Amino acid sequence: KAGVTQTPRYLIKTRGQQVTLSCSPISGHRSVSWYQQTPGQGLQFLFEYFSETQRNKGNFPGRFSGRQFSNSRSEMNVSTLELGDSALYLCASSLVRSPYEQYFGPGTRLTVT
Amino acid sequence: KNQVEQSPQSLIILEGKNCTLQCNYTVSPFSNLRWYKQDTGRGPVSLTIMTFSENTKSNGRYTATLDADTKQSSLHITASQLSDSASYICVVSGGSQGSGNTGKLIFGQGTTLQVKP
Repeated sequence: KAGVTQTPRYLIKTRGQQVTLSCSPISGHRSVSWYQQTPGQGLQFLFEYFSETQRNKGNFPGRFSGRQFSNSRSEMNVSTLELGDSALYLCASSLVRSPYEQYFGPGTRLTVT
Repeated sequence: KNQVEQSPQSLIILEGKNCTLQCNYTVSPFSNLRWYKQDTGRGPVSLTIMTFSENTKSNGRYTATLDADTKQSSLHITASQLSDSASYICVVSGGSQGSGNTGKLIFGQGTTLQVKP
């Protein structure tokens, strides 16, 4: 089975712009979660989607949003980028069964200048 | 406040030696605890996942323990190899779990392990 794929792998944007990141889960996985990883804060949960519905949300401002499509693929959008948004954005997929083993993608490295 | 604390922050050991990483948590209610290995520049890879009723789980040279009473977990690496050099992240799942809900995941800051020849 192919693993979780994320595109693009690297991205450079300037402050004020917006960005959309994409995640394709493992075939058959219906839950997709997004995380932000920075050296200072470590891994932080952004949100989780299942069946095109957001099921869980972390403590991030409304500039961070996401969606999931009927084929379980997910996108994450960050509007009005700030320098502090520079991070590795990770996507993880899981089957819908306890205890929800998660499989992470390689991440998208976003740099905001 | 739900927190996961890992120690040490970093560790250097010689190839072939054993080591133990610690994870203390205050997450409640508790659902499960996971250990991940993350190589530099890559996504985390699951090593073990333990629920409340499990107190030991092994994955090759990795053995995780869980004491739900004291809210502590450890990850023991046996006969370390150079490829074990990575960041090890403890993650605790708390809150309710329903269909399609992984619950709130609280991440530790990780322990950076460097194995030297």
